[in-house]
Amino acid sequence: DTGVSQDPRHKITKRGQNVTFRCDPISEHNRLYWYRQTLGQGPEFLTYFQNEAQLEKSRLLSDRFSAERPKGSFSTLEIQRTEQGDSAMYLCASSLELANYGYTFGSGTRLTVV
Amino acid sequence: AQSVTQLGSHVSVSEGALVLLRCNYSSSVPPYLFWYVQYPNQGLQLLLKYTSAATLVKGINGFEAEFKKSETSFHLTKPSAHMSDAAEYFCAVSEGFQKLVFGTGTRLLVSP
Repeated sequence: DTGVSQDPRHKITKRGQNVTFRCDPISEHNRLYWYRQTLGQGPEFLTYFQNEAQLEKSRLLSDRFSAERPKGSFSTLEIQRTEQGDSAMYLCASSLELANYGYTFGSGTRLTVV
Repeated sequence: AQSVTQLGSHVSVSEGALVLLRCNYSSSVPPYLFWYVQYPNQGLQLLLKYTSAATLVKGINGFEAEFKKSETSFHLTKPSAHMSDAAEYFCAVSEGFQKLVFGTGTRLLVSP
């Protein structure tokens, strides 16, 4: 068990470009979550999957954001036409079926839009 | 909807002193509560969790938290701070067993 892996760790992109992040959860965890964390704030929920089904999306997730988990294993989060306000740490977490077990987080992907 | 409030964005203690980080929750159902720690440029690590068993919960690195329903609180304590405890601490509540809702965090500063 190697924990939750996120790639890349850091991404610098120009405004208007598209970016994609990858998350590999713990293999036996069927739930996968994406959160966004800006400086000095707690993680804010974006979306989550149970197996390959996306069960909830936050209103924070604009139409420029899309997430997939095609085979119920790894997940990708894509941001189209990036804006400076998208600069943040994007955190992935996985858990067993119920969130009350707690999450295991990855180390995050830090996005900087210039 | 469930929520948590962390009082104090920064807490400063001396090495060896008591650590007390405050968290109050709002929940219409019996809550599941968590404390996480985050070191710079890293993800969050689970310290401990309350899941309706014992009200005093012991976690890693000598931390513990007490669930007090009458005060809607779940404060995090450690008897003696170490320099390595300097980090950001987040309280979280499980919302409908579907996802965790986090507080805004408390940065713990430990001075020699």
